[in-house]
Amino acid sequence: DAGVTQSPTHLIKTRGQHVTLRCSPISGHKSVSWYQQVLGQGPQFIFQYYEKEERGRGNFPDRFSARQFPNYSSELNVNALLLGDSALYLCASSWGTGSNQPQHFGDGTRLSIL
Amino acid sequence: GNSVTQMEGPVTLSEEAFLTINCTYTATGYPSLFWYVQYPGEGLQLLLKATKADDKGSNKGFEATYRKETTSFHLEKGSVQVSDSAVYFCALSVPSFSGGYNKLIFGAGTRLAVHP
Repeated sequence: DAGVTQSPTHLIKTRGQHVTLRCSPISGHKSVSWYQQVLGQGPQFIFQYYEKEERGRGNFPDRFSARQFPNYSSELNVNALLLGDSALYLCASSWGTGSNQPQHFGDGTRLSIL
Repeated sequence: GNSVTQMEGPVTLSEEAFLTINCTYTATGYPSLFWYVQYPGEGLQLLLKATKADDKGSNKGFEATYRKETTSFHLEKGSVQVSDSAVYFCALSVPSFSGGYNKLIFGAGTRLAVHP
């Protein structure tokens, strides 16, 4: 079975641009979460979506937005990019939103801001 | 608040040595606990989990026991291999009573380097 897939793998942008990252969850998983991992740190929670609704948001500015589609895939959008947005963006999926359910991660999109 | 503290790395071991990576947590409510592993250039892979006190998670020779009394979830392996070289993350998830979602809270990660 296919795992969580993310695209693109790498992306280079300049300050002020916007970016869209994409994620396809494991088949049957209805929940998608996004995390930001800055080099040398643990991932930080950005959003969680379940059944196309935003269920949770981390401490990120409004420049970050996301959505989930009827097929449960998801997009993360970041506007007005800053140098500090350079990071690995990870998507994770799970069947539901119970705290005991493990989240399964994709390989991430590495975003570099010049 | 909720948080995870891991021992700082890097941890450098010889092949077949015993591994312990310490993890302690602070949480409101009753968290589930996880260990993830990240190989270079890849995302995170779930290594093991425990969802209640005294549970032992195990996978691929790795083990961790959920100790509520010491708020710990230390990762152990009896004999490491070169292929175990990676960054290991301890994480917790607590129920959200307001919005019906679960987020993972990660430690900073511990880099393990195993030499032949």
